[in-house]
Amino acid sequence: AQSVTQLDSQVPVFEEAPVELRCNYSSSVSVYLFWYVQYPNQGLQLLLKYLSGSTLVKGINGFEAEFNKSQTSFHLRKPSVHISDTAEYFCAVTTASSGGSYIPTFGRGTSLIVHP
Amino acid sequence: EADIYQTPRYLVIGTGKKITLECSQTMGHDKMYWYQQDPGMELHLIHYSYGVNSTEKGDLSSESTVSRIRTEHFPLTLESARPSHTSQYLCASNPTGGTGYTFGSGTRLTVV
Repeated sequence: AQSVTQLDSQVPVFEEAPVELRCNYSSSVSVYLFWYVQYPNQGLQLLLKYLSGSTLVKGINGFEAEFNKSQTSFHLRKPSVHISDTAEYFCAVTTASSGGSYIPTFGRGTSLIVHP
Repeated sequence: EADIYQTPRYLVIGTGKKITLECSQTMGHDKMYWYQQDPGMELHLIHYSYGVNSTEKGDLSSESTVSRIRTEHFPLTLESARPSHTSQYLCASNPTGGTGYTFGSGTRLTVV
């Protein structure tokens, strides 16, 4: 079984500052990793995903994440945030050898609050 | 523009009522899912379907039922609503072999 821990429930940051949202996972097998964003009163939207290959993954809206197998982490970063980035961010993991089901386990979310 | 639609967006209903939350997708995805979302908590999988006439229960015990008569439609029914059912319900889909989900905008249910 896999699990996901998002280390911060809330991250306040000023506009144009860099931000890192932390995600650690546990799994005994190879994994696929995801970050989703949820804006107020909306569903989740896929930001980026790591399946294989380069450990640095670039996503939409200027976000990127780095897969670190030795530290079992998949932290999300953005060099300069905007007010519009204020949202809830969810990390998710699924096992790569799930027989094709790929049903993910989600973290509890990190609320990114961007102040002017 | 959303390719997966949930209705209603908001619903307030009395205890004991029967309700159906609708979910439709226009992408031809085989796989569809229902999640329950509460603030500060993980998303919990309630039901999923891998195709027409295929439905499975997820990891969250639920008094709800689902059906999958058409590929594009995956409604969730609560036979008798209780205050403990108050939550946000998210529908999602992905194609066979696909790894990421497309989510609907959710239905926020309040049972009074």
